[in-house]
Amino acid sequence: GENVEQHPSTLSVQEGDSAVIKCTYSDSASNYFPWYKQELGKRPQLIIDIRSNVGEKKDQRIAVTLNKTAKHFSLHITETQPEDSAVYFCAASIRGNTPLVFGKGTRLSVIA
Amino acid sequence: GAVVSQHPSRVICKSGTSVKIECRSLDFQATTMFWYRQFPKQSLMLMATSNEGSKATYEQGVEKDKFLINHASLTLSTLTVTSAHPEDSSFYICSAQGRSNQPQHFGDGTRLSIL
Repeated sequence: GENVEQHPSTLSVQEGDSAVIKCTYSDSASNYFPWYKQELGKRPQLIIDIRSNVGEKKDQRIAVTLNKTAKHFSLHITETQPEDSAVYFCAASIRGNTPLVFGKGTRLSVIA
Repeated sequence: GAVVSQHPSRVICKSGTSVKIECRSLDFQATTMFWYRQFPKQSLMLMATSNEGSKATYEQGVEKDKFLINHASLTLSTLTVTSAHPEDSSFYICSAQGRSNQPQHFGDGTRLSIL
């Protein structure tokens, strides 16, 4: 089955700097890659997603890139703000009703 | 849009009690609902997948007789933790998906504490 690896597990950046979180996946059939942000004790919230027919997607300060050949995808947050501090999870699935397989998460701390 | 409601948000009960958690999609029909468990500082681990009107598919290592899942309608799925024990204490989160090409949306989660 699918296996998703996520790095780093923790990341601290200064406010205004960029943050990059990377994930790799094992199943070449996976074609949907969402990113979730989870604040302490709250639900994961979808922040951006990408499908395998697209190499990059951007939404304001957030962007995701996908390299299907290498089977890795990355989350980029620019101009980080303290409210970006949270745990970020990447996930992968084969489109359809297959479950998401999550990475282990990255705890991002943005230092003011 | 795409709101998922989960209740209760917090449960504290004695060992041996059965606990039911509800997951509702409020503004869309969820053909598939997923149940996850999350231990502190860990990722979301899929427990089971349920499709409306059919039996749930459980992940390896998840006891189907202990974690009963019912998905009786397109807007409601329930997870019942039967005869709960302290090791069942965790954060349980459901997610719901409409059509097959739509994202999953999560409920607020239920923090279960078994004394």
